[in-house]
Amino acid sequence: EAQVTQNPRYLITVTGKKLTVTCSQNMNHEYMSWYRQDPGLGLRQIYYSMNVEVTDKGDVPEGYKVSRKEKRNFPLILESPSPNQTSLYFCASRRRGADTQYFGPGTRLTVL
Amino acid sequence: GQQVMQIPQYQHVQEGEDFTTYCNSSTTLSNIQWYKQRPGGHPVFLIQLVKSGEVKKQKRLTFQFGEAKKNSSLHITATQTTDVGTYFCAGFSGGYNKLIFGAGTRLAVHP
Repeated sequence: EAQVTQNPRYLITVTGKKLTVTCSQNMNHEYMSWYRQDPGLGLRQIYYSMNVEVTDKGDVPEGYKVSRKEKRNFPLILESPSPNQTSLYFCASRRRGADTQYFGPGTRLTVL
Repeated sequence: GQQVMQIPQYQHVQEGEDFTTYCNSSTTLSNIQWYKQRPGGHPVFLIQLVKSGEVKKQKRLTFQFGEAKKNSSLHITATQTTDVGTYFCAGFSGGYNKLIFGAGTRLAVHP
């Protein structure tokens, strides 16, 4: 089944404790992206990647890092999480040149 | 920076009534996409509009892209309880990598 997976689905952590949210897609898509969703703000793009080893900042990259060492994986790294990073995070992917973007199930992160 | 505004924020309708959500951008868009997110779910791609003045239909859903490519609308005819969710528009500006989402319109349908 074609899908985007994220882990963990839920995470409660404390300020300053480094964490990684994994994202993996099995559709051989070139383009992957991370979004955060906050009430009243819709989805905001954090980082995106156009292919392996090619990443760029979205609208809200501060406090986040990403890497794209393999085509299927696009982990989101929070080196020193803060409470304002409490949010619902979505990973997404699409084939280059295609319209349809596929979203993962989401990761709900709480930073205390 | 570029902004995409979406109205209304909430809409409650009786089943069978029509529903429309509107999307306006502060800049000209390359194209616009629409997504639906069910409560507790993830966004699901519905459609992409590219051409000025374009109109596309999917069963009871009609999507329009404005002539100036700065606004768009989604109209649902005769809503059903399965239409419940939040509808987002999202636009690309100056390329096809950065996608700017509107805040969404949450639709509630009362049977």
